[in-house]
Amino acid sequence: DIQLTQSPSSLSASVGDRVTITCRASHTITTYLHWYQQKPGNVPKLLISEASSLQSGVPPRFSGSGSGTEFTLTISGLQPEDFAVYYCQQSFSTPSFGQGTKLEIK
Amino acid sequence: QVQLVQSGAEVKKPGASVKVSCKASGYTFTDYGITWVRQAPGQGLEWLGWFSPYNNNRNYAQIFQGRITMSTDTAASTVFMELRGLRSDDTAVYYCAREGSGWSRYNWFDAWGQGTLVTVSS
Repeated sequence: DIQLTQSPSSLSASVGDRVTITCRASHTITTYLHWYQQKPGNVPKLLISEASSLQSGVPPRFSGSGSGTEFTLTISGLQPEDFAVYYCQQSFSTPSFGQGTKLEIK
Repeated sequence: QVQLVQSGAEVKKPGASVKVSCKASGYTFTDYGITWVRQAPGQGLEWLGWFSPYNNNRNYAQIFQGRITMSTDTAASTVFMELRGLRSDDTAVYYCAREGSGWSRYNWFDAWGQGTLVTVSS
């Protein structure tokens, strides 16, 4: 099984900041890596597929990059609605998720 | 628009079984696979398995092998997930999600059901 490790596990930031969340895979997964946002009480929402493809309707301040075993999700210019938990997920083999990164308001 | 509507909350005793339904609308049902994910209270996301309504292929997470079954009623555009031998640590919100790249394999999940809370308690 492929393990995904996100860092940091939690992060405090201010509106307007640029933040980066990292997801590391235990084995190479090429670009089979996807990012989700989950707000309290809500279902997960797909933000980015295949490492860097922004989903329709997702603001361009979200971007993803990486390949192989290391990936990043960057939010440029945090907005109040961006404070949430973010998960990475791989589909190179049997799907698995990272443990999540909680983004909180500083 | 794409919609996945799940059945309501369940309370079960340890050792019992639960069957959760996921009714799809807004797209051609057999064109996309359905994945099941669960989330224990305050915890992260855990993948349970995947089912393709196109060809009835399925793939279950190893840890659930032998006590999970996914099935479909194609005429009703509905996928079912049954989990047997429930334990207290199966208490979670169970989600169905549409496989965004089609019917042939799991990839990313682009639409989610509202979730079904399954509580296992004696």
